[in-house]
Amino acid sequence: AQSVTQPDIHITVSEGASLELRCNYSYGATPYLFWYVQSPGQGLQLLLKYFSGDTLVQGIKGFEAEFKRSQSSFNLRKPSVHWSDAAEYFCAVGARTNAGKSTFGDGTTLTVKP
Amino acid sequence: KAGVTQTPRYLIKTRGQQVTLSCSPISGHRSVSWYQQTPGQGLQFLFEYFSETQRNKGNFPGRFSGRQFSNSRSEMNVSTLELGDSALYLCASSLDTGGTDTQYFGPGTRLTVL
Repeated sequence: AQSVTQPDIHITVSEGASLELRCNYSYGATPYLFWYVQSPGQGLQLLLKYFSGDTLVQGIKGFEAEFKRSQSSFNLRKPSVHWSDAAEYFCAVGARTNAGKSTFGDGTTLTVKP
Repeated sequence: KAGVTQTPRYLIKTRGQQVTLSCSPISGHRSVSWYQQTPGQGLQFLFEYFSETQRNKGNFPGRFSGRQFSNSRSEMNVSTLELGDSALYLCASSLDTGGTDTQYFGPGTRLTVL
């Protein structure tokens, strides 16, 4: 069975500082990996995705993530955080053979200090 | 292109009642998935429909059901509501080309059971 672990429930960073959100996955084959962001009371917005190819993927809003098969990780990074980045971030894994079903991590809440 | 829309956005029901939520996918998308999001359980997969057929199902009781119409619009129904059914219900659609599909989420329906 596929699973996703986001070890950090809550992270606080200062505006302008760099950010890294951790994600570890468990899946028997090459997974589809996603990062979503959710603002309070809203749905999920896709930040970026990895299906194959280049292991460093670029997303929207200046985010990037790196797929590391040896570590079963897909960490999200941003070089300089803006106050508007404060939100909850979810990592998800999808199965190539189980279309339409994604398994999500428990999320990481990001607080940005002025 | 319009995004995924969900109606209603907010709903208040009492225990024992039933409720129907609606989801209109992005035009051309054939797969619709439903997720339940609660503070305690996080994001959990309910079911997925493709071409009017349920293709995947999560671990929810039979009180949770759904259907998909020929225009890909989907509804989910919860019968005999319980307090624990209070949640944000998210719908996601995808093209489902059998390859690298991405799910796009709607804003959700916030259900409160009193």
